[in-house]
Amino acid sequence: GNSVTQMEGPVTLSEEAFLTINCTYTATGYPSLFWYVQYPGEGLQLLLKATKADDKGSNKGFEATYRKETTSFHLEKGSVQVSDSAVYFCALAPSQGAQKLVFGQGTRLTINP
Amino acid sequence: EAQVTQNPRYLITVTGKKLTVTCSQNMNHEYMSWYRQDPGLGLRQIYYSMNVEVTDKGDVPEGYKVSRKEKRNFPLILESPSPNQTSLYFCASSFSAGWEQYFGPGTRLTVT
Repeated sequence: GNSVTQMEGPVTLSEEAFLTINCTYTATGYPSLFWYVQYPGEGLQLLLKATKADDKGSNKGFEATYRKETTSFHLEKGSVQVSDSAVYFCALAPSQGAQKLVFGQGTRLTINP
Repeated sequence: EAQVTQNPRYLITVTGKKLTVTCSQNMNHEYMSWYRQDPGLGLRQIYYSMNVEVTDKGDVPEGYKVSRKEKRNFPLILESPSPNQTSLYFCASSFSAGWEQYFGPGTRLTVT
């Protein structure tokens, strides 16, 4: 079946550090891939997406590249800020007959000043 | 402004007292879904709807009901809430099932 595995948290970094949150997936065909962010007390917001292999999604300084060969969609940011503290979810939409998004467990990120 | 709204945002109730959490979207989306979020368990889908009058069970439907009489509304009904339904609930909508979803702000429910 379809599944998403994220690196376990929590992750704690200092401001201006480089961030990587790993995400790998299992799916048939070519799913669409997403990163969502959940700030404290809020709902999930779409951060970025990629719909085909080698696509790079980017937003707010975050990037992720759809790697079919390694079935990965790792989230990166070159210099994190305190305001990036949140929970990050990787998700996929199956390429055929999608009835829902499949979410990873979420990774809690805390950035210290 | 495109948005998904949920009400109430916070609710404390007692076991067995029927309640409804409303969800409304103003984006003319066909697909709507309910999730619950629990520590260590991530997001789990409760019910979803592909269009008006079309609903189906998600991963954890027991103890919940939904209806989709209008495209914009997708209420979640707990006819006899129990303490194990204490959770954070999210409604979401999207143009179609495989597209990015837009989430409401969440409803924190406590059942005592």
